[in-house]
Amino acid sequence: NAGVTQTPKFQVLKTGQSMTLQCAQDMNHEYMSWYRQDPGMGLRLIHYSVGAGITDQGEVPNGYNVSRSTTEDFPLRLLSAAPSQTSVYFCASSYYETPNTEAFFGQGTRLTVV
Amino acid sequence: AQSVSQHNHHVILSEAASLELGCNYSYGGTVNLFWYVQYPGQHLQLLLKYFSGDPLVKGIKGFEAEFIKSKFSFNLRKPSVQWSDTAEYFCAVNARGNEKLTFGTGTRLTIIP
Repeated sequence: NAGVTQTPKFQVLKTGQSMTLQCAQDMNHEYMSWYRQDPGMGLRLIHYSVGAGITDQGEVPNGYNVSRSTTEDFPLRLLSAAPSQTSVYFCASSYYETPNTEAFFGQGTRLTVV
Repeated sequence: AQSVSQHNHHVILSEAASLELGCNYSYGGTVNLFWYVQYPGQHLQLLLKYFSGDPLVKGIKGFEAEFIKSKFSFNLRKPSVQWSDTAEYFCAVNARGNEKLTFGTGTRLTIIP
């Protein structure tokens, strides 16, 4: 059971480049989300999804797109990378509308935009 | 919307010292509460969680936390820390029935051997 898998683990981009951060889970979780972690700011929610075909914005969505074509996958796209998007990105998943559920996190992607 | 405050940004302790990390939340309804730990270079791992029932919850590695509803607090404690507890600790909350987690800014814990 792999849990939540993120790729890549490290990435360096030039300003203006685009890329997709991959996230996959094998726990049949309906709810998936993306966070960014910045020093002194904790984790902030970027986008989330409550099931295939359904996505919504979190606290800091600007500059990021998501889609959810399957239950397992929830990729995060940076259309035109900016230095302000230098951060560590975490994907998480959990059951949806299920009491006493907890979130499971991926290993993270450390992104540097130069 | 809920919010979470962790007032201790960086705590430095010697091995065997007792630990208490503060966590206060702001939300008018029923909440679920979590403490996550992030060891250097690693992802977040769940230390413990509170959903309902006994307000004193025990987690992994000897950690415990107490939910005090009247104070909107969920402080993390450990009676005797070890060097391996060096990590960053995050308190998180979600409203009951809403999976969106809100995190505190984290507390960096450094244990001196």
